[in-house]
Amino acid sequence: DQQVKQNSPSLSVQEGRISILNCDYTNSMFDYFLWYKKYPAEGPTFLISISSIKDKNEDGRFTVFLNKSAKHLSLHIVPSQPGDSAVYFCAASGGSQGNLIFGKGTKLSVKP
Amino acid sequence: DTGVSQDPRHKITKRGQNVTFRCDPISEHNRLYWYRQTLGQGPEFLTYFQNEAQLEKSRLLSDRFSAERPKGSFSTLEIQRTEQGDSAMYLCASSLAPSGRVAYEQYFGPGTRLTVT
Repeated sequence: DQQVKQNSPSLSVQEGRISILNCDYTNSMFDYFLWYKKYPAEGPTFLISISSIKDKNEDGRFTVFLNKSAKHLSLHIVPSQPGDSAVYFCAASGGSQGNLIFGKGTKLSVKP
Repeated sequence: DTGVSQDPRHKITKRGQNVTFRCDPISEHNRLYWYRQTLGQGPEFLTYFQNEAQLEKSRLLSDRFSAERPKGSFSTLEIQRTEQGDSAMYLCASSLAPSGRVAYEQYFGPGTRLTVT
């Protein structure tokens, strides 16, 4: 039973355009959501997060949107750059222990 | 470098052997997590420590797995009698949880890739 789903295994975008990565979740107890970026042979790098009391959080080129009623969040990258090419993981958390539940990831390719 | 470090980065072992991995978290972080990642999957939670206390273990952590964080600083993860199904990337992460609050942002190390032949 996958609680966090990233239904697109891959996404290809032209440099300078917008990248939109999507994530759905099933557990209504989740109250915090995070995006991580992962390059090959490295650990995941924290990118941006959002609390369930907000519907948008922005950090430079990265914006995360949360739609609680649809149990859906998305990461927007504008403008996309070739260095953004990586696997992006959506993660969710709820409860005092703070452990993260990850999706399977979306591989983003940004072409020059 | 003040990030999370893991040692070794790669480990190849024969089935049935024991292996031990080490994680050094960010120095002021009081929480330490272990995850496992297999090909095509996201990281899966194994266990976590608040200071030296192991507070949660996933059902993925069989009896062959044991983790310690003896002085609330570095941690070790030992796998006894390794099986081919143990082949994976083992990731360590740390966070700083202020008293009475949850810290969600976790910072990951580079991982230890285990291959069991």
